[in-house]
Amino acid sequence: KAGVTQTPRYLIKTRGQQVTLSCSPISGHRSVSWYQQTPGQGLQFLFEYFSETQRNKGNFPGRFSGRQFSNSRSEMNVSTLELGDSALYLCASAGQAPQETQYFGPGTRLLVL
Amino acid sequence: GENVEQHPSTLSVQEGDSAVIKCTYSDSASNYFPWYKQELGKGPQLIIDIRSNVGEKKDQRIAVTLNKTAKHFSLHITETQPEDSAVYFCAASFGGGGGADGLTFGKGTHLIIQP
Repeated sequence: KAGVTQTPRYLIKTRGQQVTLSCSPISGHRSVSWYQQTPGQGLQFLFEYFSETQRNKGNFPGRFSGRQFSNSRSEMNVSTLELGDSALYLCASAGQAPQETQYFGPGTRLLVL
Repeated sequence: GENVEQHPSTLSVQEGDSAVIKCTYSDSASNYFPWYKQELGKGPQLIIDIRSNVGEKKDQRIAVTLNKTAKHFSLHITETQPEDSAVYFCAASFGGGGGADGLTFGKGTHLIIQP
């Protein structure tokens, strides 16, 4: 079974721009979560989608948003980029049962200049 | 919200020795505790997890223990090998696999296996 895939793997943007990252979950998984990883703050939960609905959201500003499509693929968008948004953005997928484990993709490395 | 503390931040052990990483959590409602291993340039990989109805779980050289009363859990790696060198993260969540609530991670432990 193929793992979680994320595109693009690397991205360079400038301040004020916006960016869209994509995540394809493991086949059959309906839950997709997004995390931000930085050296200073570590791994932080952004939001989670299940069957196209956002079920939970972490403590991030409204510039961070996401969506999920009917095929469970998900995108996250960051508008008006700031230097502090430079990070590794990780996507994780899980099945639909309440006790399912999360499996992470390789991440998208975003650099904001 | 949940807060997870992880210690030590760096751990250096001789190959063949054991390594222990400890985490504490703050929310007594948390009921799922996974451990992830992250190698350079890769996403976190689940190595073992434990749920609050279990006190200990073992998978070959890796074991995790959970003390709900004290709100701490630990990762034990025995007979360490060079390929165990990586950053290890503990996490906690409520609601099972962490899908709905999101995982709260510790800051990570850089495990170095000395040959």
